[in-house]
Amino acid sequence: ILNVEQSPQSLHVQEGDSTNFTCSFPSSNFYALHWYRWETAKSPEALFVMTLNGDEKKKGRISATLNTKEGYSYLYIKGSQPEDSATYLCAPGESNYQLIWGAGTKLIIKP
Amino acid sequence: DVKVTQSSRYLVKRTGEKVFLECVQDMDHENMFWYRQDPGLGLRLIYFSYDVKMKEKGDIPEGYSVSREKKERFSLILESASTNQTSMYLCASTSTGNIQYFGAGTRLSVL
Repeated sequence: ILNVEQSPQSLHVQEGDSTNFTCSFPSSNFYALHWYRWETAKSPEALFVMTLNGDEKKKGRISATLNTKEGYSYLYIKGSQPEDSATYLCAPGESNYQLIWGAGTKLIIKP
Repeated sequence: DVKVTQSSRYLVKRTGEKVFLECVQDMDHENMFWYRQDPGLGLRLIYFSYDVKMKEKGDIPEGYSVSREKKERFSLILESASTNQTSMYLCASTSTGNIQYFGAGTRLSVL
């Protein structure tokens, strides 16, 4: 896996609105995809690890889907709150040890 | 509560200095990683270690070395710091190769 693209680069969302963003990657040699949330001045924190085509994972208001055949994953946030403001990183990999990290989507929630 | 601790949040060094970045984890994890993060780019793997005294080069090892004498500690060494090594450095650890647990990062400036 050589090239990971996350879109959009940044996103302003009104508090209470739902939003989603995309992680695209070449579908060959796929093993797993990780999603992390990175708040300013804190450590990146794992949200999901997904391995199977069609996987859907959920954690509170955040969910993610995975399509390994076409090489994309979506992250959804329902009813955005100020604490959701962060940079969201995706990282697919040919193993869990060698991940290729996207540049992230910076999410800003407007009160 | 899992913890990965990086010795410094901010560091300013001069060109040519030898720089040590220390990382300690308290989770008894076998695997530890050093990444750097630059604006507009994803995390890039410098080195990782899967056991004491074992190390593997990542994508950008040039200009860096590492040391893992004890399981809990993974050190990144810049033998002769250069201005292009100004960056945010992140340490992470994992046991099964699943979720990576990150430190808060060290922002290094080389003048």
